[in-house]
Amino acid sequence: EVQLLQSGGGLVKPGGSLRLSCAASGFTFRRHAMSWFRQAPGKGLEWVAGIDGSAERTFYADSVKGRFTISRDNARNTVYLSMNSLRVEDTAIYYCARETGGATTPPWFDPWGQGTLATVS
Amino acid sequence: SYVLTQPPSVSVAPGQTARITCGGINIGRKSVHWYQQKPGQAPVVVLYDDTDRPSGIPERFSGSNSGNTATLTISRVEAGDEADYYCQVWETRNVVFGGGTKMTVL
Repeated sequence: EVQLLQSGGGLVKPGGSLRLSCAASGFTFRRHAMSWFRQAPGKGLEWVAGIDGSAERTFYADSVKGRFTISRDNARNTVYLSMNSLRVEDTAIYYCARETGGATTPPWFDPWGQGTLATVS
Repeated sequence: SYVLTQPPSVSVAPGQTARITCGGINIGRKSVHWYQQKPGQAPVVVLYDDTDRPSGIPERFSGSNSGNTATLTISRVEAGDEADYYCQVWETRNVVFGGGTKMTVL
């Protein structure tokens, strides 16, 4: 079964740091790009960052550029999101997801992790 | 940046057809993916590349995309379809979501 299991998150003060992890199983991890998303309380989905399968290229939303870092360890089948200089507005449920498809069409995201709450207060 | 516009809410009676729109400039030239998110759960893809259904998604879910509007159609709506629905496209290397539509089954 293809699965993404998230850990990390919690409560941190403004200016603090958190690190989220997303452990993958059931597929060849290194063959897939991965992304992080977030959803503020009562709000919609926002893409945060992406990383290709080889970790050579990373991409960030403007809202987190320079503060967040996405990385992956293909030996551990895990993708990470390191969040620094956290702000109150970064409070959200954070999801990891696998890029799927993409051979002839822009990829979609499937599956998603269960989500983890990061609260900045 | 590219903007996707969805109606905030849609209400439909059981057994009827729900249509959720996603508006964007020339969205018909893009590939649109749709996600369903039930309360307290992670999103699940219900359509990809405008019209294709992943395995396990009922045939009641269908889509279209032309001009400036993509549409997710849910036929014979069931109580279990009540959820938030999001459209998604790529703009260069950025992922763009619509604001989401809350579908209520009356």
